[in-house]
Amino acid sequence: GEDVEQSLFLSVREGDSSVINCTYTDSSSTYLYWYKQEPGAGLQLLTYIFSNMDMKQDQRLTVLLNKKDKHLSLRIADTQTGDSAIYFCAESSRKNTGFQKLVFGTGTRLLVSP
Amino acid sequence: GAVVSQHPSRVICKSGTSVKIECRSLDFQATTMFWYRQFPKQSLMLMATSNEGSKATYEQGVEKDKFLINHASLTLSTLTVTSAHPEDSSFYICSAPQQGIPSGANVLTFGAGSRLTVL
Repeated sequence: GEDVEQSLFLSVREGDSSVINCTYTDSSSTYLYWYKQEPGAGLQLLTYIFSNMDMKQDQRLTVLLNKKDKHLSLRIADTQTGDSAIYFCAESSRKNTGFQKLVFGTGTRLLVSP
Repeated sequence: GAVVSQHPSRVICKSGTSVKIECRSLDFQATTMFWYRQFPKQSLMLMATSNEGSKATYEQGVEKDKFLINHASLTLSTLTVTSAHPEDSSFYICSAPQQGIPSGANVLTFGAGSRLTVL
């Protein structure tokens, strides 16, 4: 079945760039997503990328997709303490009509120190 | 933007009792909602897909009789944990397909989650 993996923890200093990595196994993935979860809260969509794209940039966020290696990354420029959270990678694939379920990674806990 | 409201945010109950969690889509209709469970420091596990007007679709290994899902209207889905036990303690999160997104993008709007503690 589908599998999505991430490193568990990343620690950076305020002002540095953060890079969170994700690997997935489903070669039929059509969309890949990055969600952010703050303590005790639900998930907030940060960005998503269609599988025929290599890169997507949105303000401080840059998503890189290497479809050949099934590798997705999220780069946060000028990381702030407010960026401390858990970041989830997720993928969906078009197998049937209608809304497809998302498969989430294990989450990467980002800690930003002053 | 689309908002999904989930209630209660926290609930503590005694073992053997039942607990109902509500998930509402505000200002938009959701014919489908998804219920996830999240264990501490772990990923989200899809429990079931709630469908308005029909039975919920449960993922493999999820007990239908333990986790009752009712999609009462186009804006409300409920999850009832029946005869709760301490092992049911967890963070439950609902979600609905986000509006205004290109078809096929499968973007979800999440509720804030409900933390259930069973004593």
